[in-house]
Amino acid sequence: AQSVTQLDSQVPVFEEAPVELRCNYSSSVSVYLFWYVQYPNQGLQLLLKYLSGSTLVKGINGFEAEFNKSQTSFHLRKPSVHISDTAEYFCAVIKDSSYKLIFGSGTRLLVRP
Amino acid sequence: DADVTQTPRNRITKTGKRIMLECSQTKGHDRMYWYRQDPGLGLRLIYYSFDVKDINKGEISDGYSVSRQAQAKFSLSLESAIPNQTALYFCATSDRGQGIQETQYFGPGTRLLVL
Repeated sequence: AQSVTQLDSQVPVFEEAPVELRCNYSSSVSVYLFWYVQYPNQGLQLLLKYLSGSTLVKGINGFEAEFNKSQTSFHLRKPSVHISDTAEYFCAVIKDSSYKLIFGSGTRLLVRP
Repeated sequence: DADVTQTPRNRITKTGKRIMLECSQTKGHDRMYWYRQDPGLGLRLIYYSFDVKDINKGEISDGYSVSRQAQAKFSLSLESAIPNQTALYFCATSDRGQGIQETQYFGPGTRLLVL
């Protein structure tokens, strides 16, 4: 079965430090990978997505993610975080032809001054 | 105005009561979804609808039902609420025209507490 694993439930980091949020997926078929962000008391919004082509995907707010097929990973990175990046981040996958998003359990990014 | 709205935003109900959560969208999308979010579990799909006459169960549909009254409206009902249905519920929409890689757009959520 398709699954998405986010190993870190919470990641504390100081402002202006780099951050990496980890995501691994399990699948033997083609996948489409997404990162969504949920700011406090809001719904989710798309940060970026990988469909095909270049393995490095750039998204909004300075975030980027790299698709690594051999390691079945899609880690999210930002070189310098801001207080406003404090939110919960969800990795998700669509298995081809299913049209259904499967979410990871989420990683709460806490940026401290 | 928000493209995807949910009402109510917060609801407290008692065990055994029937309640309805409503979702409306002005994005003109044909696909709509209901998810529930529980701490540490991420979002799980309850039901989804690809058009007004097409409704499908998600991974956790037991105890829930839905109604797609129009392209823009998709309601979720809890037939007889129980405490373990306490959660944050999200509605989402997407556009068929994007294909398999369509982006889903989420409403602000409804926080439900079942006593």
